[in-house]
Amino acid sequence: DAGITQSPRHKVTETGTPVTLRCHQTENHRYMYWYRQDPGHGLRLIHYSYGVKDTDKGEVSDGYSVSRSKTEDFLLTLESATSSQTSVYFCAIGLKGSYEQYFGPGTRLTVT
Amino acid sequence: GNSVTQMEGPVTLSEEAFLTINCTYTATGYPSLFWYVQYPGEGLQLLLKATKADDKGSNKGFEATYRKETTSFHLEKGSVQVSDSAVYFCALSDLDAGNNRKLIWGLGTSLAVNP
Repeated sequence: DAGITQSPRHKVTETGTPVTLRCHQTENHRYMYWYRQDPGHGLRLIHYSYGVKDTDKGEVSDGYSVSRSKTEDFLLTLESATSSQTSVYFCAIGLKGSYEQYFGPGTRLTVT
Repeated sequence: GNSVTQMEGPVTLSEEAFLTINCTYTATGYPSLFWYVQYPGEGLQLLLKATKADDKGSNKGFEATYRKETTSFHLEKGSVQVSDSAVYFCALSDLDAGNNRKLIWGLGTSLAVNP
């Protein structure tokens, strides 16, 4: 157990509203990742972080922003949610000295 | 760039059948290779890994061998159980332009095992 929690676990929101998802880790890992998982598309990287205030875009970053002001928290924000952002969102941490990633339980987001 | 191709599912087997899920990759250098499993309603879990050519990763009766000559990392299990029903993902290590670590993912293969 890599001590990763995600909140909220489920959320329903309306189109056009801002939404922030939180990923929290307890073990001081440097790397953190946000993915979305959709049928037929597998797992797609949204943004990732390699340190406090160090973030970069993944393959599907449009419409998303992130912030990492503390090692333990990595926030994903949908500035103005759209129905195409309905998905399951997973946070992962990367172990030091390894490419292994460990995943949180996921957040199911529905945009109506 | 690096990429992973995984066999499409769904795969449906009877209990105690032999399982193979194919995974091939394209990469420069010497990547590490991983298999992850996702049980219904859960996040992904690392199942096994291999970090160099000819390495065999194994866990819970599953095995995969890193074959550089065929650029493959096929997942196998000799006798599947109903509890193995899940989605399986193959992944490949990668570095961005700043040498930061990422994984490249296959699309996943859904496995259903019937009693």
